[in-house]
Amino acid sequence: GEEVAQTPKHLVRGEGQKAKLYCAPIKGHSYVFWYQQVLKNEFKFLISFQNENVFDETGMPKERFSAKCLPNSPCSLEIQATKLEDSAVYFCASSQSGKNEKLFFGSGTQLSVL
Amino acid sequence: DQQVKQNSPSLSVQEGRISILNCDYTNSMFDYFLWYKKYPAEGPTFLISISSIKDKNEDGRFTVFLNKSAKHLSLHIVPSQPGDSAVYFCAASAMDAGSQGNLIFGKGTKLSVKP
Repeated sequence: GEEVAQTPKHLVRGEGQKAKLYCAPIKGHSYVFWYQQVLKNEFKFLISFQNENVFDETGMPKERFSAKCLPNSPCSLEIQATKLEDSAVYFCASSQSGKNEKLFFGSGTQLSVL
Repeated sequence: DQQVKQNSPSLSVQEGRISILNCDYTNSMFDYFLWYKKYPAEGPTFLISISSIKDKNEDGRFTVFLNKSAKHLSLHIVPSQPGDSAVYFCAASAMDAGSQGNLIFGKGTKLSVKP
């Protein structure tokens, strides 16, 4: 596609439930990034992929968060046993080369944990 | 500790005048800087970038200036238009061997351009 597509736009979960977010990068882009924006604050890097391989996961919380980018499928970010502090907008972005290149962002998934 | 700082949370400018948004950084390894613009309920959209080998990059009404010795960059918008009203994020990345090129973002400056 011509743009980064994120689904769903909004997701409401009770504390302790699982949340799964999806991202389809721009066609031809090899790199996918996930960012978390809490309370309209700065964007916190979570994880990046080069095709289906994890490129950098230094921002991923050690517990409860996982992500995948499988061939011929949208990338996904999954949060097991959500907590109140996971409430945020999760943005996915893609780029062609991954380094020192502009990222193209999706419109985000607003996750609300109640 | 914040590596990219935008110390002004908001800025209000009259239509037709210049808007100047500022950004400071602490990591001397950063060598690529970008500005993104964000409207509510949308993802950030790329505006303009600059490599550390340059001190100025211009694109239409938008100019980014980089002062490496001061670790400071600024975005100039002239003339400002009401449609420029948005939150502007400064971002930086490093291309050294230890970095994966992730963008580090500031907290944003909300620009309001009044007609």
